[in-house]
Amino acid sequence: DGGITQSPKYLFRKEGQNVTLSCEQNLNHDAMYWYRQDPGQGLRLIYYSQIVNDFQKGDIAEGYSVSREKKESFPLTVTSAQKNPTAFYLCASSMGTGITYEQYFGPGTRLTVT
Amino acid sequence: LAKTTQPISMDSYEGQEVNITCSHNNIATNDYITWYQQFPSQGPRFIIQGYKTKVTNEVASLFIPADRKSSTLSLPRVSLSDTAVYYCLVGEIRSQGNLIFGKGTKLSVKP
Repeated sequence: DGGITQSPKYLFRKEGQNVTLSCEQNLNHDAMYWYRQDPGQGLRLIYYSQIVNDFQKGDIAEGYSVSREKKESFPLTVTSAQKNPTAFYLCASSMGTGITYEQYFGPGTRLTVT
Repeated sequence: LAKTTQPISMDSYEGQEVNITCSHNNIATNDYITWYQQFPSQGPRFIIQGYKTKVTNEVASLFIPADRKSSTLSLPRVSLSDTAVYYCLVGEIRSQGNLIFGKGTKLSVKP
């Protein structure tokens, strides 16, 4: 089955620790994205990547880092510099960037930092 | 990017038709209109997309008037499983990843 997987579904960390969220896709999509969603809010773009070895900052990139060494993988690291890291994180992919390309989303990772 | 405005919430009953309107007064010539649906604790999924007039698929219809300053997502005969948040997005064909998901419209379908 083709799709996007995110792991783990729930993640708990202590304040001050870096944590890496996994995102893998087997849809052969060029573009991948990371969004953050807070309760009752819409999605906010953290980073996106149009091709391997290239990525761009989104609206709220501060305190986050990404890599895109393989087409299938786009891991997100939440660093200790992120002041409010507790949130629902969603990864997505699409054939290209632009609104006409449907974005396919993973199931999400709910991160809780205490 | 064109800003969108949609109702925060709507209530409906099973079997009714639901119309959710999105306002996008500053829509540009190259902009398309796309709707996504999100269930609690899941990622959004694409519903429908259009540029002008009417688009229909197996899930919904999208009505876009000639001036394109608004659009209406129509869900025929909703069921409890249509309870979700619906997002209206407007953007260019080749925008570089910065789609804006606002707060969306929370649709609650009651029995």
